[in-house]
Amino acid sequence: TQLLEQSPQFLSIQEGENLTVYCNSSSVFSSLQWYRQEPGEGPVLLVTVVTGGEVKKLKRLTFQFGDARKDSSLHITAAQPGDTGLYLCAGARQAGTALIFGKGTTLSVSS
Amino acid sequence: SAVISQKPSRDICQRGTSLTIQCQVDSQVTMMFWYRQQPGQSLTLIATANQGSEATYESGFVIDKFPISRPNLTFSTLTVSNMSPEDSSIYLCSVESWVNTEAFFGQGTRLTVV
Repeated sequence: TQLLEQSPQFLSIQEGENLTVYCNSSSVFSSLQWYRQEPGEGPVLLVTVVTGGEVKKLKRLTFQFGDARKDSSLHITAAQPGDTGLYLCAGARQAGTALIFGKGTTLSVSS
Repeated sequence: SAVISQKPSRDICQRGTSLTIQCQVDSQVTMMFWYRQQPGQSLTLIATANQGSEATYESGFVIDKFPISRPNLTFSTLTVSNMSPEDSSIYLCSVESWVNTEAFFGQGTRLTVV
């Protein structure tokens, strides 16, 4: 059973377009994180959201945590080729336990 | 934050042999996690390694196939034993912050079994 449903799985867009990646669950998480991974590297943390309804911005990236802390979204404005990579959402049930990862979204931005 | 050094970064191995992957953390951590990842796909947890006790394995992974050592609070190894081509994958070690559960990863070991 996949506790975190992430969509879409693949996304191929042109430079300048906007996109949104979704991460949904029927379970409540104490926090939810977004990672970006490039080939040959481990995932790198982008942001952590902990409060229901929270919105965080990181330059052109906007992250939201659902009010019930069961879902999150990542919105990228005016995508650039440098945004290309694998995006992973991960939820924490509690400290000291392994994160639960979504299946990932492979984003390709072409110029 | 934590800096994790993982080695080797990649290897090509003959079937039937074993490979030991090392993971060194720049600070003391209670728990370390080992994941497997097919290229372009998500992470699958293999086991959780606590210092001073046996590792806890997830469903589908067994100690005989993936023995783990955790001799101290900064180091762990994962061995992939009696390898077959199905073991070809990326293996990652990770630690989490107790404060905010943020995870930090090594750069991964890309294993190819031929």
